Amino acid sequence: GEDVEQSLFLSVREGDSSVINCTYTDSSSTYLYWYKQEPGAGLQLLTYIFSNMDMKQDQRLTVLLNKKDKHLSLRIADTQTGDSAIYFCAETGANNLFFGTGTRLTVIP
Amino acid sequence: NAGVMQNPRHLVRRRGQEARLRCSPMKGHSHVYWYRQLPEEGLKFMVYLQKENIIDESGMPKERFSAEFPKEGPSILRIQQVVRGDSAAYFCASSPSEWSGNTIYFGEGSWLTVV
Repeated sequence: GEDVEQSLFLSVREGDSSVINCTYTDSSSTYLYWYKQEPGAGLQLLTYIFSNMDMKQDQRLTVLLNKKDKHLSLRIADTQTGDSAIYFCAETGANNLFFGTGTRLTVIP
Repeated sequence: NAGVMQNPRHLVRRRGQEARLRCSPMKGHSHVYWYRQLPEEGLKFMVYLQKENIIDESGMPKERFSAEFPKEGPSILRIQQVVRGDSAAYFCASSPSEWSGNTIYFGEGSWLTVV
């Protein structure tokens, strides 16, 4: 079955860049996603990338996709304290999304 | 255009009671998905429904859990005889048509606490 892996924790200083990494197993995934979840809240879709793309940029967010290595990353430029949250990557399955366990990003003022 | 609406947002049940979680999809959406998020974990797929039809329930526990999406009204996730391990956040998502991956929208979640 599909398996999506992420490191559990990341700490960065305010103003630095954050890079959150994800590896996935299903090479047939059509889309790959990044979601943000703040404590006690739902999922906020940050961005997604179509599997035939290598990179997507949206303001402070840059997504890089390496299909050969099945590696996805999310870079947040100029990280702010409001970026502190759990970030989930997800890949498309046959009828649903498969989520990673999430990376807890802590931004140190 | 209202998003995916879930209620209740928070629910407390004693062990052995029943929990019913409701999900109203976005307007125009006819497909509903339920996910469970256990504490400190990612979301796990439970079930995918179309109106009056279960399309994929491969993620549903075999016992005590059921889901429906009637012709009229919200989708319901029902958990009978709840146990402490059912404490989790339950998220509903909807899409306008058959699964395609890029048109799925999540609700804010329902947090179930079993005491």
